[in-house]
Amino acid sequence: TQLLEQSPQFLSIQEGENLTVYCNSSSVFSSLQWYRQEPGEGPVLLVTVVTGGEVKKLKRLTFQFGDARKDSSLHITAAQPGDTGLYLCAGANTNAGKSTFGDGTTLTVKP
Amino acid sequence: ETGVTQTPRHLVMGMTNKKSLKCEQHLGHNAMYWYKQSAKKPLELMFVYSLEERVENNSVPSRFSPECPNSSHLFLHLHTLQPEDSALYLCASSQDPMGSSYGYTFGSGTRLTVV
Repeated sequence: TQLLEQSPQFLSIQEGENLTVYCNSSSVFSSLQWYRQEPGEGPVLLVTVVTGGEVKKLKRLTFQFGDARKDSSLHITAAQPGDTGLYLCAGANTNAGKSTFGDGTTLTVKP
Repeated sequence: ETGVTQTPRHLVMGMTNKKSLKCEQHLGHNAMYWYKQSAKKPLELMFVYSLEERVENNSVPSRFSPECPNSSHLFLHLHTLQPEDSALYLCASSQDPMGSSYGYTFGSGTRLTVV
């Protein structure tokens, strides 16, 4: 069974601060996605990374895929209350024929 | 209407009731999924349908019965549920069965409470 561990599990910060959340595994993934889920809604896809070492930017969010394609990080610059939510990573493995979700990081940004 | 639509948004049912959850996608995706999301647990994959055929059943109890009549619609039929089945049930679709290329598009979910 492939496992994705996300850390920290909970994070509460003030508006304007920077933060990084992590998604780690001992398995290699062909691609990895990050999602944000707000209360009462389904997860929304933020980004897909495919190449080891790849960095993608989405406004104040920076996503990085590890060189070995086993881990990923999400960095948020100058967090805003609208960034509050559950951040989920999901790894896809062609050999396994399925995607695996991490258990998520709950982020709260206080005004 | 675009995206993935789930109905109802909220459902309260007794343990002896029979109900169905509905999911509809107009994205032209080939795969559809049911996930269960409980508090303090990762998303649990329940069922996968690819081109209307069930390709995965993750040891889900028989009190949950999926149905995929066509590529745009997915149902989850519920009967004799237990209180521990209370959770957010999410439907998702993707272009490929693993969601590896473009990820998943999720619906807003059905919040199910079993009393």
